[in-house]
Amino acid sequence: DGGITQSPKYLFRKEGQNVTLSCEQNLNHDAMYWYRQDPGQGLRLIYYSQIVNDFQKGDIAEGYSVSREKKESFPLTVTSAQKNPTAFYLCASSPPGQPYNEQFFGPGTRLTVL
Amino acid sequence: AQTVTQSQPEMSVQEAETVTLSCTYDTSESDYYLFWYKQPPSRQMILVIRQEAYKQQNATENRFSVNFQKAAKSFSLKISDSQLGDAAMYFCAYRSAWKSSGDKLTFGTGTRLAVRP
Repeated sequence: DGGITQSPKYLFRKEGQNVTLSCEQNLNHDAMYWYRQDPGQGLRLIYYSQIVNDFQKGDIAEGYSVSREKKESFPLTVTSAQKNPTAFYLCASSPPGQPYNEQFFGPGTRLTVL
Repeated sequence: AQTVTQSQPEMSVQEAETVTLSCTYDTSESDYYLFWYKQPPSRQMILVIRQEAYKQQNATENRFSVNFQKAAKSFSLKISDSQLGDAAMYFCAYRSAWKSSGDKLTFGTGTRLAVRP
């Protein structure tokens, strides 16, 4: 079955530690995205990548880093510089072509900083 | 920068009745796309319906339809014959038609819909 997988589903981190969230897709989509979801704030874009080996900052990139070495994978690292990392993180992908195409979302990772 | 506003944090509807969720947006662009996404308790985001700004005809998907008013920058979602499975968080989203924008989605803050049996 084609889709987007995110792991782990729940992640706990101590303050001062970096942590990496995994996002893999087998939909052959070129573009991939990372969003952060906080209560009452909707989804906010962290980083996006339209092609392998290229990515751009979104609206709230500070304290985060990404890589796009393979088309299928777009991992997100939450660094110790992120002041308030506790949130729900969603990965998405979209096929090439018209921007009318929908973004497909993964099931999300809930990150909690202890 | 574009902004999307959903002014109703919570809504409630009786099963089998009709409910309308509001969304307004601010943009200086003439060509763009609008979406409604549903997020049930599982937190999986699901596309409900989409609208191209250059199309005057309102989009319809089964029990879901939109009222797109381009001049007023309004994009409301109407759910007819509401079902218990419609209970979820609903997000309105905007996407520029310009490739230089990176196909990013700008989301509203969401409306939580409860369905009363």
